Amino acid sequence: EPEVTQTPSHQVTQMGQEVILRCVPISNHLYFYWYRQILGQKVEFLVSFYNNEISEKSEIFDDQFSVERPDGSNFTLKIRSTKLEDSAMYFCASSRRAGGLGGELFFGEGSRLTVL
Amino acid sequence: GQQVMQIPQYQHVQEGEDFTTYCNSSTTLSNIQWYKQRPGGHPVFLIQLVKSGEVKKQKRLTFQFGEAKKNSSLHITATQTTDVGTYFCAGPAGAGSYQLTFGKGTKLSVIP
Repeated sequence: EPEVTQTPSHQVTQMGQEVILRCVPISNHLYFYWYRQILGQKVEFLVSFYNNEISEKSEIFDDQFSVERPDGSNFTLKIRSTKLEDSAMYFCASSRRAGGLGGELFFGEGSRLTVL
Repeated sequence: GQQVMQIPQYQHVQEGEDFTTYCNSSTTLSNIQWYKQRPGGHPVFLIQLVKSGEVKKQKRLTFQFGEAKKNSSLHITATQTTDVGTYFCAGPAGAGSYQLTFGKGTKLSVIP
């Protein structure tokens, strides 16, 4: 069964460093998302991406964050200068239809980011 | 944006007891989805409800969408240890939004 894959599974970084989290969405999906989950808390929306551009983003997704789909298969989340509060599990998801319009989201296993 | 409120936050049950989690929105939802996240895992889609008053069943799980499409529930009959995890409802962030907003989830513990 096709699945969303994410790398790395765990990244430890120093505050102020840049981090890139990588995702390979399911190949015939058109909508891509990044969510994050601080330990034990809710799954928070960061950004959605469709047709090679950001379709929506949350207040969390400030200028320190960016997303890219560089080669038609990878979908990356970059955090330019990490802060302690960026420590969380970051989930990539993809769907055939937009989640808000009823599309089922398929999540990757997540990348745990620890900022020291 | 639209928010979905979910209660309770935690529920501890004896194996074999029933469990229900509730999801409420202040505005009408075009659809609602339910996801399960096992401990240490990622959210996994369970079901989507679209129609007013809709009821869907998956083995011991029963999902309902309210008549006004502002609330939903997930009921598990005779819980098993495999039901352990956090159950999230999720709805559109707003009319026409691509974004799915998740509730805070209900963490279910099952005591064998």
